[in-house]
Amino acid sequence: NAGVTQTPKFQVLKTGQSMTLQCAQDMNHEYMSWYRQDPGMGLRLIHYSVGAGITDQGEVPNGYNVSRSTTEDFPLRLLSAAPSQTSVYFCASSYTIAGGPNEQFFGPGTRLTVL
Amino acid sequence: GQNIDQPTEMTATEGAIVQINCTYQTSGFNGLFWYQQHAGEAPTFLSYNVLDGLEEKGRFSSFLSRSKGYSYLLLKELQMKDSASYLCAVRRGGNNRKLIWGLGTSLAVNP
Repeated sequence: NAGVTQTPKFQVLKTGQSMTLQCAQDMNHEYMSWYRQDPGMGLRLIHYSVGAGITDQGEVPNGYNVSRSTTEDFPLRLLSAAPSQTSVYFCASSYTIAGGPNEQFFGPGTRLTVL
Repeated sequence: GQNIDQPTEMTATEGAIVQINCTYQTSGFNGLFWYQQHAGEAPTFLSYNVLDGLEEKGRFSSFLSRSKGYSYLLLKELQMKDSASYLCAVRRGGNNRKLIWGLGTSLAVNP
């Protein structure tokens, strides 16, 4: 099992550019989520999904879109990059329990810089 | 509101025992998780508590008191590699499908 994979590992964008961060898991997990992590701010949930075709917003969804067309893949799209989106992005997946996430497996992260 | 509190930083000595506390105030509770995160890496799962009491897993144990909104992570026989950030997260359950995360406790283990 590859677990949770994320690409790219590093990315530099200019303000206004768009891009997609890829996330895939091979554990047949229903629950997938995207977090950003900034110094002093902890992990903040951007978007999450409880299954194919179902997505919902987290704490900080503005400027980001997601889709879940398959169980395996959960891409995160930055519509028009801004310097405030400079961060480390983590994708995570898990089985669900009581409607929420169980033990989450995290991808290695994408380090994004927006100039 | 929803809130999780953890100490920001702790230091300890190799071979010692350290206890990292987490207090939470949430509307609803359906489980508490502890994760470890080394600098520059992704978080990894350490433990899960949903009922009151102690869960032991090797050198690591986690305790939960739901009536007090309190958990702690106990690390025994500390090793240098235990230097990391320790994150506490609460699942509220019901229709709420999101975790609430603490800001993490940065633990430095000194020789």
